[in-house]
Amino acid sequence: SQTIHQWPATLVQPVGSPLSLECTVEGTSNPNLYWYRQAAGRGLQLLFYSVGIGQISSEVPQNLSASRPQDRQFILSSKKLLLSDSGFYLCAWSGRTSLAKNIQYFGAGTRLSVL
Amino acid sequence: QKEVEQDPGPLSVPEGAIVSLNCTYSNSAFQYFMWYRQYSRKGPELLMYTYSSGNKEDGRFTAQVDKSSKYISLFIRDSQPSDSATYLCAMSFDTGRRALTFGSGTRLQVQP
Repeated sequence: SQTIHQWPATLVQPVGSPLSLECTVEGTSNPNLYWYRQAAGRGLQLLFYSVGIGQISSEVPQNLSASRPQDRQFILSSKKLLLSDSGFYLCAWSGRTSLAKNIQYFGAGTRLSVL
Repeated sequence: QKEVEQDPGPLSVPEGAIVSLNCTYSNSAFQYFMWYRQYSRKGPELLMYTYSSGNKEDGRFTAQVDKSSKYISLFIRDSQPSDSATYLCAMSFDTGRRALTFGSGTRLQVQP
């Protein structure tokens, strides 16, 4: 069965520090991968998605970037964190068939506090 | 106007009650409709998905889609305290990017 790992679970970082969040998927090949951010009491906002190694699409202009160095690895980064980057970050994957593309499965999330 | 509207709650019900959770949407091109359950400080867990209109049942959960009214529902029968969570609806198109558009979530509390 497929599993998705995301770490760390919690992170407290000072303003201006760099960020690296990692997500890996097991049990499937060539998944679509996604990074979302969830603000308190709000829905999920798509930040980035990737359909393959090195292929990244950005949904909103921001202080963050994403990379996909391997088929099942997705990394969210920042060179200098802002206070507004605080939030709950979720990685998700989906399959590649016509139906599976629409069904996304989420990791446990990383709670980031920028102080 | 948001593309997907969902009452934030909280919705408080006694154990054993039937719960009705709803979302309305504005874009008639949505074809896939999902319901996720999210416990506090955890990632969303997929409960059910449906394609186009109709009903789908899985145990105590029933999902309904009414495309003519742009309205989707999730019913929970015999609700349990363990059902206490935030429920997120999500939807996507049949073609193109397939990114999900989420509602803001409804917080459900089932009182023992």
